[in-house]
Amino acid sequence: QLQESGPGLVKPSETLSLTCTVSGGPVSSGTDYWSWIRQSPGKGLEWIGYVYHSVFTSYNPSLKSRVTIMMDKSKNQFSLRLNSVTAADTAVYYCARDQNYLDVWGKGTTVTVS
Amino acid sequence: SYVLTQPPSVSVAPGQTATITCGGDNLVIRRVHWYQQRPGQAPVLIIRDDTVRATGIPERFSGSKSGDTASLTISGVAGGDEGDYYCQVWERNSDHFVIFGGGTNLSVL
Repeated sequence: QLQESGPGLVKPSETLSLTCTVSGGPVSSGTDYWSWIRQSPGKGLEWIGYVYHSVFTSYNPSLKSRVTIMMDKSKNQFSLRLNSVTAADTAVYYCARDQNYLDVWGKGTTVTVS
Repeated sequence: SYVLTQPPSVSVAPGQTATITCGGDNLVIRRVHWYQQRPGQAPVLIIRDDTVRATGIPERFSGSKSGDTASLTISGVAGGDEGDYYCQVWERNSDHFVIFGGGTNLSVL
């Protein structure tokens, strides 16, 4: 299971920080990628990026300059940081296990930039 | 960047069959995955690798692909099937991007 956590309200120009806690298996599994996805109100799914093998990352080119995804093996968590947020970053943020397909999702957490 | 194209909406009467398409360049060489998102809920994987039903998904849901178009077929549609459906692929360029289609809203008349 995956569970997102973090502030529900972030001020413009500040940094959005979310954590995904993984239960039922190690986040450091060598075959799993761990992704963040978001969904703006009334819009479709947008992939933000993933982390795998603890240190390797890949980001959506449209967000790459503002995004950092990291893994904390000791806590079995991975995290998302999005800098310099604007109202356009208001969305439901999901974390998911990525095996080429996203087979386990968190319930999502709503983040409002205001 | 790679684009997956889905119809914005599909409507079908209860008990009938719904087909949702997903098109993309050279889709024939990519593995397509499908997700269902009911209102207010997180997406759920229903089909992976073009045709494989995910764990616990009823046989009413099936996936197929012909050339550059993948299809999700839902037979015996019921009200509980209403929601948004998304196709997804990995774009295996240098950074392995995850690409979603724009989503299709399924309504049961």
